[in-house]
Amino acid sequence: KAGVTQTPRYLIKTRGQQVTLSCSPISGHRSVSWYQQTPGQGLQFLFEYFSETQRNKGNFPGRFSGRQFSNSRSEMNVSTLELGDSALYLCASSEAGVETQYFGPGTRLLVL
Amino acid sequence: AQSVSQHNHHVILSEAASLELGCNYSYGGTVNLFWYVQYPGQHLQLLLKYFSGDPLVKGIKGFEAEFIKSKFSFNLRKPSVQWSDTAEYFCAVKGGTSGTYKYIFGTGTRLKVLA
Repeated sequence: KAGVTQTPRYLIKTRGQQVTLSCSPISGHRSVSWYQQTPGQGLQFLFEYFSETQRNKGNFPGRFSGRQFSNSRSEMNVSTLELGDSALYLCASSEAGVETQYFGPGTRLLVL
Repeated sequence: AQSVSQHNHHVILSEAASLELGCNYSYGGTVNLFWYVQYPGQHLQLLLKYFSGDPLVKGIKGFEAEFIKSKFSFNLRKPSVQWSDTAEYFCAVKGGTSGTYKYIFGTGTRLKVLA
């Protein structure tokens, strides 16, 4: 099976802009989680989607949002970008009811 | 608040040395515990996990971890490291109930193994 894919891999934006990141899970996986990884904070949980519904949410402001489509692909959107949003955004998928997550390569976002 | 602490941020070992990476978590309920590894230039991948049962779990590449409930710890061990074990290691905890659970990761430990 193909692994988790994320697009784009690299992105440069300026403050105030918005960005949309995409994640395609492993075939058959219905759960998709998003994380922000920074050198100082490590991996921080953003949210999880399961069958098109947000099932869990981390402690991030409302500028961070997501959605999941019927084919389980997920998008994450960040509006009004701030310098502090520069990070590696990781997507992970898992089978329904199985806790092992499989991670994608990430999208590296740089906000100038 | 729930948290995961990894005590060592950087570890340098020679090949064949024994490894123990500490992980402590703060959460009062039932938890699932994980160790993930990120090799240079590669994705995060699962090393091992504990859900229930035998508190000593074995993972890939000779790694093992012991869950000590009374100490809220889940330390990672390997008797003899290899140069190829150079990577960043993350401890993670999943706690809570459906609708409220979160995965919490530690800040990671960078391991460098000298040949």
